[in-house]
Amino acid sequence: SAVISQKPSRDICQRGTSLTIQCQVDSQVTMMFWYRQQPGQSLTLIATANQGSEATYESGFVIDKFPISRPNLTFSTLTVSNMSPEDSSIYLCTTLGGLAADNEQFFGPGTRLTVL
Amino acid sequence: AQSVTQLDSHVSVSEGTPVLLRCNYSSSYSPSLFWYVQHPNKGLQLLLKYTSAATLVKGINGFEAEFKKSETSFHLTKPSAHMSDAAEYFCVVRHASGGSYIPTFGRGTSLIVHP
Repeated sequence: SAVISQKPSRDICQRGTSLTIQCQVDSQVTMMFWYRQQPGQSLTLIATANQGSEATYESGFVIDKFPISRPNLTFSTLTVSNMSPEDSSIYLCTTLGGLAADNEQFFGPGTRLTVL
Repeated sequence: AQSVTQLDSHVSVSEGTPVLLRCNYSSSYSPSLFWYVQHPNKGLQLLLKYTSAATLVKGINGFEAEFKKSETSFHLTKPSAHMSDAAEYFCVVRHASGGSYIPTFGRGTSLIVHP
């Protein structure tokens, strides 16, 4: 199993600023995923972060807006840049327990971001 | 490409009556499918998963789901709803990419349980 922690747990930010969210896993994992869950919505995948390579972004998400770092097998950061109220959301870091299709997915507690 | 469609945004039932939450998927190969539940202001919890073993999968809290390849469906059911079942339910399919599997979430179905 994997236990995931995120910092900060919540934040209120001003329009035009940036916020970096940290994700720490208590074990080494190959892939980490960053999702966004807007109010009343499902989880939308932002990007997949592999250690030692560039993150892979989903359609509608770009590196300039959501730069990601993955310096080692237990840590990743997601930055929300030049924020606007539309970025208000819960940001979740997740990972899989292995490379098999049925491995359990582990979720961080989320970072609740409000942009004013 | 893989995708998952949850046909109902809201399902409303009375306590003690059956629950049916519908999920259809598209996949170019045999998929792995999951159901998660999210209670208000809580994290996601795995209910059950299908991974090409038995087509009828039993999960926690009395929920089960049946994989029907011919219908590309993986509907979630429960014989008798309880008030504590009121929550958001997500159907998830995983697709292969870069040597691993990427989870894709459905839009979610909100289950409302009336006394």
